[in-house]
Amino acid sequence: NAGVMQNPRHLVRRRGQEARLRCSPMKGHSHVYWYRQLPEEGLKFMVYLQKENIIDESGMPKERFSAEFPKEGPSILRIQQVVRGDSAAYFCASSQGRLPSTDTQYFGPGTRLTVL
Amino acid sequence: AQKITQTQPGMFVQEKEAVTLDCTYDTSDQSYGLFWYKQPSSGEMIFLIYQGSYDEQNATEGRYSLNFQKARKSANLVISASQLGDSAMYFCAMREKDYGGSQGNLIFGKGTKLSVKP
Repeated sequence: NAGVMQNPRHLVRRRGQEARLRCSPMKGHSHVYWYRQLPEEGLKFMVYLQKENIIDESGMPKERFSAEFPKEGPSILRIQQVVRGDSAAYFCASSQGRLPSTDTQYFGPGTRLTVL
Repeated sequence: AQKITQTQPGMFVQEKEAVTLDCTYDTSDQSYGLFWYKQPSSGEMIFLIYQGSYDEQNATEGRYSLNFQKARKSANLVISASQLGDSAMYFCAMREKDYGGSQGNLIFGKGTKLSVKP
């Protein structure tokens, strides 16, 4: 299956712990996006990355959240010192990044984070 | 102001009938893209259909078609011959500056929950 892979699918953390969410884009895709979905809501953009570069992090909270997409390996969304309000589904999407930009983002299955 | 508005929190449709899910959008960009995604109860997001703002024809993908009315800023999804497996949440999304060299993020509506009755 060459789709977007995310792991873990479910993650439980206690308040104050760290959460690391991983995303491997589709083969041939070099652009990665992270979104957060709260219950009963649509997805909200967090960050857009290319290999080794953060292109747009305007949707990312300024504190405790960080993201990277290294030259080798998956993209990582890291949440430090988690709080109950971080409980949500976190989706990763990837795209080819070709122009003109009829570029479709394909989503992974998501990681459901629960903070106790 | 909301950029994507889906006014129908929930919809019911009889199996084999057609259904239209509404979506209106707000942007000052001339180039933008509109997308529909399906989210079944299992939680994944499945891409259904795309419409570019400069596309003259309405997009179609199998049983899905997009009724694009640019002047009214609406991009309604039409599902023909509904199936039980179509029961899911449906999200409309927009990407601004679609042709401007900036592959930007998607802005999502709050979704419509479609239930197909046998």
